[in-house]
Amino acid sequence: DQQVKQNSPSLSVQEGRISILNCDYTNSMFDYFLWYKKYPAEGPTFLISISSIKDKNEDGRFTVFLNKSAKHLSLHIVPSQPGDSAVYFCAASLGAGGTSYGKLTFGQGTILTVHP
Amino acid sequence: GAGVSQSPSNKVTEKGKDVELRCDPISGHTALYWYRQRLGQGLEFLIYFQGNSAPDKSGLPSDRFSAERTGESVSTLTIQRTQQEDSAVYLCASSSTGLAGTGEYFGPGTRLTVT
Repeated sequence: DQQVKQNSPSLSVQEGRISILNCDYTNSMFDYFLWYKKYPAEGPTFLISISSIKDKNEDGRFTVFLNKSAKHLSLHIVPSQPGDSAVYFCAASLGAGGTSYGKLTFGQGTILTVHP
Repeated sequence: GAGVSQSPSNKVTEKGKDVELRCDPISGHTALYWYRQRLGQGLEFLIYFQGNSAPDKSGLPSDRFSAERTGESVSTLTIQRTQQEDSAVYLCASSSTGLAGTGEYFGPGTRLTVT
């Protein structure tokens, strides 16, 4: 049973435009959500996170939005750059108080390609 | 080294054989976790070590899987009597805090292929 789902296997965007990556989850007990980026032959690297008590978190070009009622989160990258081309994973955890130790449930990933 | 290292980077084994995968965490990191990613799937939690506490083994898929870590050093993941469904990339990560998204570092993974 896939508790975290990324239904778009791939996304192609023009440089300078906005990239929107989506993620849905089924477990209402998840209370901390994260996005990771992965380049080929490397491990995932942490990008941005959001606690369930918030609906938006912004860090530079990256913004994560959380809609708890819809059990949906999204990652916006604007403006997109060719170096953003990678696999993006969303992840969720059952932590308490807005933090979580490292046991995460991941989505399948979305391959983002940003064209120059 | 500066990052998490894993060995081997690739492993091809015959069904029924045992394999051992190694993870060298960043020095001083008390938390260490193993995940695996099967083709077309997300990363799947396997096991978590935090200092001298009892490990969280809740993600190990069967008793053929085991992992050890001595103190804050190297960890080994052992798969006995490998099956084709064990084929995956096995990822190790370490963290100084154990808190997700605050500084865990993933290794490049070991790609295991069971023929």
